[in-house]
Amino acid sequence: AQSVTQLGSHVSVSEGALVLLRCNYSSSVPPYLFWYVQYPNQGLQLLLKYTSAATLVKGINGFEAEFKKSETSFHLTKPSAHMSDAAEYFCAVSDRAGSARQLTFGSGTQLTVLP
Amino acid sequence: DAGVTQSPTHLIKTRGQQVTLRCSPKSGHDTVSWYQQALGQGPQFIFQYYEEEERQRGNFPDRFSGHQFPNYSSELNVNALLLGDSALYLCASSLVGLGYTFGSGTRLTVV
Repeated sequence: AQSVTQLGSHVSVSEGALVLLRCNYSSSVPPYLFWYVQYPNQGLQLLLKYTSAATLVKGINGFEAEFKKSETSFHLTKPSAHMSDAAEYFCAVSDRAGSARQLTFGSGTQLTVLP
Repeated sequence: DAGVTQSPTHLIKTRGQQVTLRCSPKSGHDTVSWYQQALGQGPQFIFQYYEEEERQRGNFPDRFSGHQFPNYSSELNVNALLLGDSALYLCASSLVGLGYTFGSGTRLTVV
């Protein structure tokens, strides 16, 4: 069975500050990991994904995440927060990169960006 | 290029009723998955359809059923609605080897 734990249901940062959203996973097989963003009343948009290539993954909107097997972590970072980054962020795990396997999501982290 | 389309966007039903939600996948996608997102929680996998058959199922009761049509569109049916079924229902389409594209969801409120 796979699971994802997102530490911190709410994170607040000032505009221009570093964004760090934490994700730890549990998986009995080599995982594929994803970060999604959800704006109010919208679906999920893929930010980035790890599929066993480079451990540092770059995504859209300046976000990146690093896969650390020894720490079973896949934390999401952005050097400088923008007001438009305010949204809910979900980390997810699957046991295959493609469409054939279900995604297991964490409970989400609400990011607030303060002016 | 149209993405994933879900209808209706909002729905209010009475406890005990039945509901049908619809999803049109992104052009070229052949697999449809359904997720339930309760307020303040992450999405939970309900089931996945491929070639008009249920290929995978999450931990949901038989009150939740689905269908996929030859044009790859899909329906999610929920019978005997409970208050706890109130949630955002997300449809995601995909093609083998590629990632998911999510729709904007249907907000179901059971009163």
